[in-house]
Amino acid sequence: GESVGLHLPTLSVQEGDNSIINCAYSNSASDYFIWYKQESGKGPQFIIDIRSNMDKRQGQRVTVLLNKTVKHLSLQIAATQPGDSAVYFCAASDSGTYKYIFGTGTRLKVLA
Amino acid sequence: SAVISQKPSRDICQRGTSLTIQCQVDSQVTMMFWYRQQPGQSLTLIATANQGSEATYESGFVIDKFPISRPNLTFSTLTVSNMSPEDSSIYLCSVEVGRRPSYNEQFFGPGTRLTVL
Repeated sequence: GESVGLHLPTLSVQEGDNSIINCAYSNSASDYFIWYKQESGKGPQFIIDIRSNMDKRQGQRVTVLLNKTVKHLSLQIAATQPGDSAVYFCAASDSGTYKYIFGTGTRLKVLA
Repeated sequence: SAVISQKPSRDICQRGTSLTIQCQVDSQVTMMFWYRQQPGQSLTLIATANQGSEATYESGFVIDKFPISRPNLTFSTLTVSNMSPEDSSIYLCSVEVGRRPSYNEQFFGPGTRLTVL
């Protein structure tokens, strides 16, 4: 069945360094992807999205890269701050179902 | 964007009882969804709440266990029926803003943390 998986369950990063969170998806029909941030006790918060006709999209301090050939996307956070500590999820959808399949999540820990 | 509130924010319930969770959105939306997030895990879609018709359930979820109401475009309820400890989870309401077929952002409520004893 479809799956969206993350390579690392926990990522520890020094404050000020860049963070890279990876995600693999299995459905080749997936053509829309979202990264969410979930802080403790809160619902997921939309960070950035990318459509399959793009391979890179930038936001404020965040960049998402999409490699459709290997069905992989990543979230890069520049100059990681303590407030970035959270669990990050990727989600994939396709125009056939419009349903979102969520990855297992990566916990980002920012070390002072 | 959309502002979503859920009630209750958390509850502790006895097995065999039922709990109804409310989801209120500050604007009219077409698509509303209910997700479950078990402890330390990712989100699993329970169903799509359809306004004016029966909800569309995902594999593994049934209406008798998770009845859903959607009386209008800003409100929905999810009931967790005949609860067991395995139902202990965070239940999340989400909405999709915009109009299909374009992809649109999906926003989440704060969640309802349910513990079943």
